Amino acid sequence: DAKTTQPPSMDCAEGRAANLPCNHSTISGNEYVYWYRQIHSQGPQYIIHGLKNNETNEMASLIITEDRKSSTLILPHATLRDTAVYYCIVRVIGGSYIPTFGRGTSLIVHP
Amino acid sequence: DSGVTQTPKHLITATGQRVTLRCSPRSGDLSVYWYQQSLDQGLQFLIQYYNGEERAKGNILERFSAQQFPDLHSELNLSSLELGDSALYFCASSAGQGNGYTFGSGTRLTVV
Repeated sequence: DAKTTQPPSMDCAEGRAANLPCNHSTISGNEYVYWYRQIHSQGPQYIIHGLKNNETNEMASLIITEDRKSSTLILPHATLRDTAVYYCIVRVIGGSYIPTFGRGTSLIVHP
Repeated sequence: DSGVTQTPKHLITATGQRVTLRCSPRSGDLSVYWYQQSLDQGLQFLIQYYNGEERAKGNILERFSAQQFPDLHSELNLSSLELGDSALYFCASSAGQGNGYTFGSGTRLTVV
């Protein structure tokens, strides 16, 4: 599975959009981009995933560049409860896969 | 509630002791994964079981072992505990080996 690079930390004002970048320049054609987040001491929580098209759900939007070498997770109106570590993972769906979590991005949403 | 149940939520024990952590996967999920997360560290993959069989091993110490039972629940056994084993232990489950992935709320182990 391709590796990812994320900034170690970011901050955002409450009510503003939080844009979390992820670089996955070695992604292959059958690998999806997944995002998880971990609120302090809780288990990681799935947010969203995509292959090449932009995706949106009730939690967030995922923007994937045309060359698929990078993506951005967007929390449109960040709240204090969005303070968490966000992990970007690339993986193949199906087959053997062991999710490997890097250090992620620690997002702090401040009042 | 994610559907993955881990017990106990908290555990305090002394060095040299042995403990068992339990995980019940989400209904229908065949794969169980165990992770360790020490203070301010990332999630370290320990071991995976699929339908009762061990499928992958990560950085799991020889003092640690796991199994998955016919009803698909899994247990992680930690023995000869050391102070450095204090950590959060998470279990995750998925329907297949590469499908969606759901975590439990973890067991916080404190070794004193």
